[in-house]
Amino acid sequence: NAGVTQTPKFQVLKTGQSMTLQCAQDMNHEYMSWYRQDPGMGLRLIHYSVGAGITDQGEVPNGYNVSRSTTEDFPLRLLSAAPSQTSVYFCASSRGQGAQGNTIYFGEGSWLTVV
Amino acid sequence: GQQLNQSPQSMFIQEGEDVSMNCTSSSIFNTWLWYKQDPGEGPVLLIALYKAGELTSNGRLTAQFGITRKDSFLNISASIPSDVGIYFCAGHYTGGFKTIFGAGTRLFVKA
Repeated sequence: NAGVTQTPKFQVLKTGQSMTLQCAQDMNHEYMSWYRQDPGMGLRLIHYSVGAGITDQGEVPNGYNVSRSTTEDFPLRLLSAAPSQTSVYFCASSRGQGAQGNTIYFGEGSWLTVV
Repeated sequence: GQQLNQSPQSMFIQEGEDVSMNCTSSSIFNTWLWYKQDPGEGPVLLIALYKAGELTSNGRLTAQFGITRKDSFLNISASIPSDVGIYFCAGHYTGGFKTIFGAGTRLFVKA
């Protein structure tokens, strides 16, 4: 079972470069989201989507764009990378409906370094 | 904004000891989740709680959804070296898409 798959696993960028982190889920989940994880700060929500064609900002959206053209995919774009975006990024999904709809499943993470 | 306080920040214990960690919130949640993160991996769900007062076990792990709906705890009994990792609590409250994560408890187990 693939679950939530994100690529790449590791990436080094130069300041000002742009890139896209890919995320796909095969569980037919309505909700998808992107988090970043920094030491001592837990997981912070960047952007989320409650369904295809619908996206919204989370806690730390600046410098990132998302789109949700299909239920399965939710790419995260860094428009002009900055050292402050050095972090570990996690894509996640949840069913969104029903008693267990709030349970979030995570990908394995993408380690991004901006130099 | 919403806050979720998780404690302790870190724990150093001996193999075989029991462990307890907890999370408290200023908001009422309708779901509490506990995750474990191994180094270099994403968080993996351990236990999900959906009702106030609910007590759920998963092997040596036990978690409870507080009666006030503002807190939850996770206990690990008879710890083993593979319990090492970061444990996160997360709370989801009603009113749309909003799950908040604690800062994590880093567990170290000495064999």
